[in-house]
Amino acid sequence: ETGVTQSPTHLIKTRGQQVTLRCSSQSGHNTVSWYQQALGQGPQFIFQYYREEENGRGNFPPRFSGLQFPNYSSELNVNALELDDSALYLCASSAPGQGKNEQFFGPGTRLTVL
Amino acid sequence: KQEVTQIPAALSVPEGENLVLNCSFTDSAIYNLQWFRQDPGKGLTSLLLIQSSQREQTSGRLNASLDKSSGRSTLYIAASQPGDSATYLCAVKRNNNDMRFGAGTRLTVKP
Repeated sequence: ETGVTQSPTHLIKTRGQQVTLRCSSQSGHNTVSWYQQALGQGPQFIFQYYREEENGRGNFPPRFSGLQFPNYSSELNVNALELDDSALYLCASSAPGQGKNEQFFGPGTRLTVL
Repeated sequence: KQEVTQIPAALSVPEGENLVLNCSFTDSAIYNLQWFRQDPGKGLTSLLLIQSSQREQTSGRLNASLDKSSGRSTLYIAASQPGDSATYLCAVKRNNNDMRFGAGTRLTVKP
């Protein structure tokens, strides 16, 4: 069984740029959630995708957007990057439709905005 | 609005000690509660998941309890080992798919 994978591992961008982060869900999981974790804090929920549609969103502005593909992999896009966007971005997959609500996390992408 | 608090923020214990980590939440209308472990700069490893209808879950040296009415969960670690050193996070899931995390407890187990 393949776990959750994320790419890239690290990324450095400058203010105003755009970034795309990628996530491949665990085999058999159809739901992907994205989280932002600032240093020393717990992760904050950005949004969740199920069957290629957004299925819940946290308190993040519209410049945070996402996609889910037919193979259940997902992208997180952030436009007009700000310094405060520097964080560890985590994705998690689950299969709630199969009664499997446990979320499994990937290793994260460390984004630094200069 | 769901708030999740973890106490203590940091804990240092000698190897072999039994310990309890605490998690409290303000809204008892939760779907489930999950405990995670996070090593520095890494992703989260799921430890235990407790459904809202359950009272506790056990895995090896770990035992997690849930008291929805009082908004509390505890993670009990028996016979702690240096390899248990990490940050432990609890998270509660509401029906709208929003999972709220505490800030974590940073555990250090000294040999």
